[in-house]
Amino acid sequence: ELKVEQNPLFLSMQEGKNYTIYCNYSTTSDRLYWYRQDPGKSLESLFVLLSNGAVKQEGRLMASLDTKARLSTLHITAAVHDLSATYFCAVTNTDKLIFGTGTRLQVFP
Amino acid sequence: GAGVSQTPSNKVTEKGKYVELRCDPISGHTALYWYRQSLGQGPEFLIYFQGTGAADDSGLPNDRFFAVRPEGSVSTLKIQRTERGDSAVYLCASSSAGGLATGELFFGEGSRLTVL
Repeated sequence: ELKVEQNPLFLSMQEGKNYTIYCNYSTTSDRLYWYRQDPGKSLESLFVLLSNGAVKQEGRLMASLDTKARLSTLHITAAVHDLSATYFCAVTNTDKLIFGTGTRLQVFP
Repeated sequence: GAGVSQTPSNKVTEKGKYVELRCDPISGHTALYWYRQSLGQGPEFLIYFQGTGAADDSGLPNDRFFAVRPEGSVSTLKIQRTERGDSAVYLCASSSAGGLATGELFFGEGSRLTVL
């Protein structure tokens, strides 16, 4: 059974600081997704990572994938308050996505 | 439509009642997914349709849960004899013809179900 784990589960960080969220998964998968969810809202797709070594960046967020280690990272650079949200990684398993437990990020001044 | 539409946005019901939740996917999307998200958790897969047929229903928790997509577009998730543990946000997502092999999932705003 495919398991997806994220850490930390909760992250409180100061504006301007850098931090990394980790996503580990238990079995081989074709692709990995990162989503953002604001309170009471649906899921917004951030990145799709398709192959080993893939790196994608959008603004202050950068995602990478190491399929051999079954690990993806979401790096936050110089955090701002607008990044406060819950971040989920998700891994494909046949034709469905299996989600991690999420990392709740809170950025304070 | 422009995005995945789900109704109702909120549903409060009593234990033992029957509930239907509706999902209208993005026009032209043949793949449709239902997920359930409990408070503080990640979305949990329930069922996946490709066209009219359920391609994978392995996530349905028990036989009280059933979903249909009779014309390959709108889908309805049906929950019989609701229990308090069914309280969650039910998310619907759709994807283009290739499903996850070629694309990504687009999620609706969800239907929040509360069973008293």
